Amino acid sequence: DVKVTQSSRYLVKRTGEKVFLECVQDMDHENMFWYRQDPGLGLRLIYFSYDVKMKEKGDIPEGYSVSREKKERFSLILESASTNQTSMYLCASSANGGLETQYFGPGTRLLVL
Amino acid sequence: RKEVEQDPGPFNVPEGATVAFNCTYSNSASQSFFWYRQDCRKEPKLLMSVYSSGNEDGRFTAQLNRASQYISLLIRDSKLSDSATYLCVVNQGGRRALTFGSGTRLQVQP
Repeated sequence: DVKVTQSSRYLVKRTGEKVFLECVQDMDHENMFWYRQDPGLGLRLIYFSYDVKMKEKGDIPEGYSVSREKKERFSLILESASTNQTSMYLCASSANGGLETQYFGPGTRLLVL
Repeated sequence: RKEVEQDPGPFNVPEGATVAFNCTYSNSASQSFFWYRQDCRKEPKLLMSVYSSGNEDGRFTAQLNRASQYISLLIRDSKLSDSATYLCVVNQGGRRALTFGSGTRLQVQP
């Protein structure tokens, strides 16, 4: 079974704080993704990575950065958290980018005060 | 226009009913199509891939119409456990990423 884990299920941060969300997958997948999910807007792609140290912007990268130093780990960084970044953050991985099934982690619900 | 559009619902149906969801996509270069299911406060999980010739998995049937850029999901003999949000998912043709629809919520009632 594919397993994608995320470092926290719930997180509360203050405006201006630096926030790290970590994601680890155990299936040796090349591709990893970060999404945020908001009511009425669905899942929106923030960043993705198709190889170690490689990254591509998704549809809403502003205010975020990512890091992929190891194949199994993909981190999402909020350099200076803002209240409009309060959301559910979902990490996913897949073996072949947009052509194959993506497997999701349980999500991190982030509240920025 | 959104890249993937779905009717948000909710669809409220009695147990045993047949229900159909539709989805349209805008990128004619899309090659891969999926239906995902998301339970309340859980992560999305793959329900089924959608193939050009249409495919069936038990009570679930998926259809693809490339000419009209339209995907459908039919659920027969609905169960209470089918209550969830169903996400239409399309790859972006040329980009190694998927685009998710906002989802259609299904509530099956006893």
